[in-house]
Amino acid sequence: SYVLTQPPSVSVAPGKTARITCGGNNIGSKSVHWYQQKPGQAPVLVIYYDSDRPSGIPERFSGSNSGNTATLTISRVEAGDEADYYCQVWDSSSDHPNWVFGGGTKLTVL
Amino acid sequence: QVQLQESGPGLVKPSETLSLTCTVSGGSISSYYWSWIRQPPGKGLEWIGYVYYSGSTNYNPSLKSRVTISVDTSKNQISLKLSSVTAADTAVYYCASGGYNWNPFDPWGQGTLVTVSS
Repeated sequence: SYVLTQPPSVSVAPGKTARITCGGNNIGSKSVHWYQQKPGQAPVLVIYYDSDRPSGIPERFSGSNSGNTATLTISRVEAGDEADYYCQVWDSSSDHPNWVFGGGTKLTVL
Repeated sequence: QVQLQESGPGLVKPSETLSLTCTVSGGSISSYYWSWIRQPPGKGLEWIGYVYYSGSTNYNPSLKSRVTISVDTSKNQISLKLSSVTAADTAVYYCASGGYNWNPFDPWGQGTLVTVSS
């Protein structure tokens, strides 16, 4: 089955740029979605189809996807961005197509 | 804006069937796909399956033998049944709009915690 690998944690100072990676075999050929989950809350879609941003999501959030790595970039990080972030792809490569999530990355704002 | 609300028992005994309902407000469930996702305490997300308003479904292969997802268009509700539960099925269960044909999940319900314990 398809595996998505995320770093367990990323730390960044306020005002700096955070980059959260999502690794997978030839992930650049797939569409990647990203979710933000704050403690005790449901996940919220922050990037879809690699780099599109839903309405209401700040322009500070951006995404890219190429080769074996997709990246969520958060510019000018704020304290309110502290959360868990999950990447997601649809794995149609096997006999049993399936949604796959990365293990999640905890973003800490120092 | 569509809103989703999960409901159901918060405690289920081992070997029994977990049953949850997701009520959709602010829009019709017709012409859309609806998914269930779960998250064990302190762990990551796992997709359970999705249903189309017509009733067609697709399930996570790892849960397929125990899962049934259905829709009730008259009540604007989506249902989840998971049979033969064990402690490993203890999780927050979310319903969400989307999940078909590479489409993302958006929006999500607030989730409901189901504990499997005797």
